[in-house]
Formats: sequence, structure tokens, C-alpha cells
Amino acid sequence: GDSVTQMEGPVTLSEEAFLTINCTYTATGYPSLFWYVQYPGEGLQLLLKATKADDKGSNKGFEATYRKETTSFHLEKGSVQVSDSAVYFCALPYSGAGSYQLTFGKGTKLSVIP
Amino acid sequence: DGGITQSPKYLFRKEGQNVTLSCEQNLNHDAMYWYRQDPGQGLRLIYYSQIVNDFQKGDIAEGYSVSREKKESFPLTVTSAQKNPTAFYLCASSIPLAGNQPQHFGDGTRLSIL
Repeated sequence: GDSVTQMEGPVTLSEEAFLTINCTYTATGYPSLFWYVQYPGEGLQLLLKATKADDKGSNKGFEATYRKETTSFHLEKGSVQVSDSAVYFCALPYSGAGSYQLTFGKGTKLSVIP
Repeated sequence: DGGITQSPKYLFRKEGQNVTLSCEQNLNHDAMYWYRQDPGQGLRLIYYSQIVNDFQKGDIAEGYSVSREKKESFPLTVTSAQKNPTAFYLCASSIPLAGNQPQHFGDGTRLSIL
């Protein structure tokens, strides 16, 4: 079935360091791909998305490119801040029983230290 | 502003007790979802509903029940049959049958056993 595999954490970086969180997927066809962020004690917020191959999603300095050839959607940011400390989830929609659901990676916890 | 409201933020359950978690949305979305999140885990789907008066079991429905009498509301009952209910519960909504549209999440309810 459709699935995502996400880099396990936790990841600890110093402020202004470069961030990469790996995400690879297995899917039938070419689904949209999403990155969500969860700040402590809160729900998930959509961070960015890409709807087709070679699309680049971007938001708040984060970027991810939909790579069909490597079935990947890695999340990157050039210079992280303390406020980026959160858990990041890669997600993939799949269809079944006439509806779309989301399958999530297990999440990667990022801690940014001053 | 449109959004999803979950209440209460914290909930405690006694042995043998049923408890109900509230989820209300004003996004005019037809589809609504309930997820369970355990520490260090991704999200697991409990129940979902694509339209009023209809709902489907997700991956871990045992010990839970839902109703969908109104488009705006999708309450989740954690029954006494759920032996390990301690978790963070997230409600979401989306446009149904649209795999390129994200799900929008509430801020969650944290359930603990007394």
C-alpha cells in the first residue's frame, strides 16, 4: 500500500544551521505530497505542499521538491531559528473506498538551540 | 476566521467511564476525521466521515464510536472498551474526494486515565 518513510529523529541543530529532513514515499501514480508541522501542545499545521512532479513547495523559508525519479520530498531550510523547534510530518494522500485519506510518516522532532 | 475547535483541551477518564471529545468546524468541509497520536508515533486514523449521517472505521476504531448528525460537528466517544485511551486526539476536516487538498487540524485533546 501507499506509505511514507521519514527520517527518524530527534534532530538537534544550532541556530542558523542548515536543515534537511528526508522523506521518501511509495505510491501508485503521482499523488500530492505534504509537509505538516506540529508545535508543542498544538495540532498539525500545513507547512507546504506539492501537487505534481518537479513542483517545489515553499513557506516560511522551508522548501521541498517533489522528485519523481527518487520518490522523495525532502524538507530543507537554509538557516533554522529557535522558533522552528517542532515535530515535522511528511504526508501522502491515498484513495480507498471512494475517499481520500492521509498516511503520515512517524514525525521528526527538531530542536534548535541558540 | 474559519477553523476547527476541539474541546476540552485536557480530559481525564475514570475506569469504566465513557468520555466524549468535541470537534466543531466552520470551514464548510464535508469530510471530517479523528486521529490518535501516541508519543513518538505518527497519526493513526480512528474514524472518518465524508458526509453527514455517514462514517467509516479507520485503522484503530475498536473501543471508539462517532456520530455525524450535523456537517459542523463530529464528536468522538472513547468507550470503556478502549483499554489504553491515554493519547493525544486530533480532529481534522477537508474537502472530500480531493487528493490535492490538505486536511485542516484542530489543537487536540489530551486524554489521560485517572
